[in-house]
Amino acid sequence: GENVEQHPSTLSVQEGDSAVIKCTYSDSASNYFPWYKQELGKRPQLIIDIRSNVGEKKDQRIAVTLNKTAKHFSLHITETQPEDSAVYFCAASESNYQLIWGAGTKLIIKP
Amino acid sequence: NAGVTQTPKFRILKIGQSMTLQCAQDMNHNYMYWYRQDPGMGLKLIYYSVGAGITDKGEVPNGYNVSRSTTEDFPLRLELAAPSQTSVYFCASSLGVTGELFFGEGSRLTVL
Repeated sequence: GENVEQHPSTLSVQEGDSAVIKCTYSDSASNYFPWYKQELGKRPQLIIDIRSNVGEKKDQRIAVTLNKTAKHFSLHITETQPEDSAVYFCAASESNYQLIWGAGTKLIIKP
Repeated sequence: NAGVTQTPKFRILKIGQSMTLQCAQDMNHNYMYWYRQDPGMGLKLIYYSVGAGITDKGEVPNGYNVSRSTTEDFPLRLELAAPSQTSVYFCASSLGVTGELFFGEGSRLTVL
């Protein structure tokens, strides 16, 4: 079955700098890759997603890139702000309704 | 729309007790899911449903049961609670097979 690894587990960046979180997946049949943000004590919320027929997707300060050959995808956050502090999860899915989740990255924005 | 509503928010159980976590959504989503999230970990799928009357096991179904008698409701039953079931449980729904998951606020369960 699918396995998703996420790195780093903790990322500390200066406010205004960029942050990059990387995930690798094992099943080449996976075709949907969402990223969720979870603030402390809150529910996860979708911030961006990408499908396997697209290499990159951007939404304001957030972008996701997908390399199908290498089976990895990355979240890029530019001009980081204090409200970006949270845990970020990647996930991968085939068409069988099951998302397999990474273990999460705690992003800390230093003032 | 209330979205996805879960109850209770907090519960303490003794080993061997049973309970039901309630989940309801008002978005007319066919797909519903139950996840558990252990501290510092990602989400593990317990059970999912693709429509009323249809349920299937996820990654970690042992010790749990579900039913889906209506589109709106997807309760999760814990039988014979064990300390390993101490976790935060999230119910979620989605419109399609892939696409945004809408989560409830979570239910924090402690088994002592």
